[in-house]
Amino acid sequence: EDKVVQSPLSLVVHEGDTVTLNCSYEVTNFRSLLWYKQEKKAPTFLFMLTSSGIEKKSGRLSSILDKKELFSILNITATQTGDSAVYLCAGANTGNQFYFGTGTSLTVIP
Amino acid sequence: NAGVTQTPKFQVLKTGQSMTLQCAQDMNHEYMSWYRQDPGMGLRLIHYSVGAGITDQGEVPNGYNVSRSTTEDFPLRLLSAAPSQTSVYFCASSYIIRWGRGTEAFFGQGTRLTVV
Repeated sequence: EDKVVQSPLSLVVHEGDTVTLNCSYEVTNFRSLLWYKQEKKAPTFLFMLTSSGIEKKSGRLSSILDKKELFSILNITATQTGDSAVYLCAGANTGNQFYFGTGTSLTVIP
Repeated sequence: NAGVTQTPKFQVLKTGQSMTLQCAQDMNHEYMSWYRQDPGMGLRLIHYSVGAGITDQGEVPNGYNVSRSTTEDFPLRLLSAAPSQTSVYFCASSYIIRWGRGTEAFFGQGTRLTVV
């Protein structure tokens, strides 16, 4: 059975902290790992990772994929209140199916 | 630059009523899908389509019907609403990339459905 598991389920940090969100996956015919940010409405795309060990970076956010261990992490440095959201991880297979985890709810306190 | 448009944004139904959630995309995406999102359950796939005239079931298809008569539109029908169908529904679309790294899914703004 294809599945994606995220941890922790929720996280509360203070502004300026660095956080690491985890995502493990078991997806048959795996093609890519995607991260989304969801703030009370539609998920918005952050990263797509297809190769192991190559870090993707966008501002204070970065992500990396380990295809041997079937694992990805999303790092957020110098967190801000605007980073408060649910972060979703999804594994995509070669048939274009996306398997989503339950998400990590991040709350950043001023 | 519309992207994926879902209507309505909110809906309250009585048990046993039927309704259709509309989804339209203007990006010429072949792949369209419907998810429901419930607390603690993540996004679960209801139905999907890889092109006009082709639909298939996802993880939780019971009680829902879809059709894909055009590339742009992918409506979701609730046949006889039940309280268990209270949820937030998202439509998503993407290109089908047969080779290489794949592509991301683009989401509509969601429909919050309450069945009483």
